[in-house]
Amino acid sequence: DTGVSQDPRHKITKRGQNVTFRCDPISEHNRLYWYRQTLGQGPEFLTYFQNEAQLEKSRLLSDRFSAERPKGSFSTLEIQRTEQGDSAMYLCASSLREQFFGPGTRLTVL
Amino acid sequence: AQSVTQLDSHVSVSEGTPVLLRCNYSSSYSPSLFWYVQHPNKGLQLLLKYTSAATLVKGINGFEAEFKKSETSFHLTKPSAHMSDAAEYFCVVSDPRRTGGGNKLTFGTGTQLKVEL
Repeated sequence: DTGVSQDPRHKITKRGQNVTFRCDPISEHNRLYWYRQTLGQGPEFLTYFQNEAQLEKSRLLSDRFSAERPKGSFSTLEIQRTEQGDSAMYLCASSLREQFFGPGTRLTVL
Repeated sequence: AQSVTQLDSHVSVSEGTPVLLRCNYSSSYSPSLFWYVQHPNKGLQLLLKYTSAATLVKGINGFEAEFKKSETSFHLTKPSAHMSDAAEYFCVVSDPRRTGGGNKLTFGTGTQLKVEL
């Protein structure tokens, strides 16, 4: 399968814990995006990488969130001191032109 | 700022009848517009895109959409619904002027399509 993959698919954590998600983009894609989707809403843009450079961050991305793409390949999204409001589906997409989405990581914060 | 409004949160059709999912956009420039579909437990899939070429855009699985600048609309249609079309559909806009800055997508709130026998 040469699509975008995300790991884990599901994560349940307790409030205050840190979590990290991984995204593996399609191999030749130089652009990588993170989005967040809450119940009943469309995905909202969080941040964007071109190769290893993080070029844009949404105001939704508080200082508890950090994203990296160290070698311009896979990316990680870390949430520190999780809150119940962080419960959502976290989507990764990669592109040369059109964006191709992964299946998402569903986070539940208890 | 750019935005899209999906006029119906839920649409229900009978199998074999036409599908119409409505979307209006707001933009101060000529936008790029997309429709994505999301099946349960699957990733978002691109159905079709408009990028200022032909105003009638054909996509996968028999879907098409027409860009109407005068109405600021980009409605999605299909002549005959199939049970496998049941899913959530998102109208999406991006700014084609962004060079070197990526194409951040702005999603609508989605339309849940139900197809009944």
